[in-house]
Amino acid sequence: AQSVTQPDIHITVSEGASLELRCNYSYGATPYLFWYVQSPGQGLQLLLKYFSGDTLVQGIKGFEAEFKRSQSSFNLRKPSVHWSDAAEYFCAVVPTDKLIFGTGTRLQVFP
Amino acid sequence: DTEVTQTPKHLVMGMTNKKSLKCEQHMGHRAMYWYKQKAKKPPELMFVYSYEKLSINESVPSRFSPECPNSSLLNLHLHALQPEDSALYLCASSQDPRPFQETQYFGPGTRLLVL
Repeated sequence: AQSVTQPDIHITVSEGASLELRCNYSYGATPYLFWYVQSPGQGLQLLLKYFSGDTLVQGIKGFEAEFKRSQSSFNLRKPSVHWSDAAEYFCAVVPTDKLIFGTGTRLQVFP
Repeated sequence: DTEVTQTPKHLVMGMTNKKSLKCEQHMGHRAMYWYKQKAKKPPELMFVYSYEKLSINESVPSRFSPECPNSSLLNLHLHALQPEDSALYLCASSQDPRPFQETQYFGPGTRLLVL
């Protein structure tokens, strides 16, 4: 079945540590790819997106993501996490005409 | 200005009430969306308006009635809701008439509780 998978429901890291959040999709063609962040009780903010071109995408707040066609993945990374990065992170794809969200990864940051 | 505003922030209503959620953007965007988000779940698309016309209805029950009075405003009229309709309702907008290929800007949401 076509889907967006975020395998990690909950991740805990120490402040200053590196971070990688995983996202895999199962669609025939390369869809448009997004990462959104949602703080508790808030709306969603776009971190970055990939449509085409350079497979390493830079976003806001020091985040980057790499598109790997061979692995159908679009993983989000940050070299040094800040306490304010604690939030829910959603990967989303547009295979054709609809934005489809993954189930989300909750990031907890310890001081 | 990349802001989408939503009112009210919180809403409590009974199952016989009629209420409306409002969404506004002044970015000149021509596509607007309503999403429903249950706790600990991703947002689910409800409706899409493109150039003030309803273009997508994701089989939403008729107790939810969207309205787009003009290009900046989007309403969601609520009537005879059920407790399971309690959720965070998110509004979003995007610039292009190919809405899903453009960045969607989200409002903070309205948290709805149906008693």
